Amino acid sequence: DVKVTQSSRYLVKRTGEKVFLECVQDMDHENMFWYRQDPGLGLRLIYFSYDVKMKEKGDIPEGYSVSREKKERFSLILESASTNQTSMYLCASSSGQGALQPQHFGDGTRLSIL
Amino acid sequence: KNEVEQSPQNLTAQEGEFITINCSYSVGISALHWLQQHPGGGIVSLFMLSSGKKKHGRLIATINIQEKHSSLHITASHPRDSAVYICAVRSLAGGGADGLTFGKGTHLIIQP
Repeated sequence: DVKVTQSSRYLVKRTGEKVFLECVQDMDHENMFWYRQDPGLGLRLIYFSYDVKMKEKGDIPEGYSVSREKKERFSLILESASTNQTSMYLCASSSGQGALQPQHFGDGTRLSIL
Repeated sequence: KNEVEQSPQNLTAQEGEFITINCSYSVGISALHWLQQHPGGGIVSLFMLSSGKKKHGRLIATINIQEKHSSLHITASHPRDSAVYICAVRSLAGGGADGLTFGKGTHLIIQP
């Protein structure tokens, strides 16, 4: 079974801090994704990566950056956390670039910025 | 950008009832996903469709490409089916990799 592991289930940080959210997958998937999920808005794509050192902006990249130095690991970085970044963050991975590949999700990180 | 609408937003039913959740989208797609999210956050992929119908246990998903509509059905519903069900589409036009557009989800509660 595919395993997507997010480093923390719950995280509390302060405004202005630099925050790192880590995601690791164990199935050698090419594609990895970071989403945030907010009540009434559903999941929205922040960034995705289709290969090591490659990244593409999603729908809401402002205030975030990402890093993919190794195939199995995709990090989301909040350069200077703000209260409007309080949210549930979900990482996902999928194989190849075909449309018919399912995305496998981690359990999510509930991030609170005080 | 594809607009994905789900209905209903909230659904409460009794155990054993037949459940239908609907999803419509505005632009042609290459694939549609149905996802399940339990309390606590974890998301599981249930189905991925590009045409026709798929069945897995008590779950059935159908898609009508011409009408830009998909339905998720649950037969003989059970309290453990209580979850948020999310529809997501990959548009023909865009998105690198598997860029998906998500509906806001349907919150289903099955009462014993």
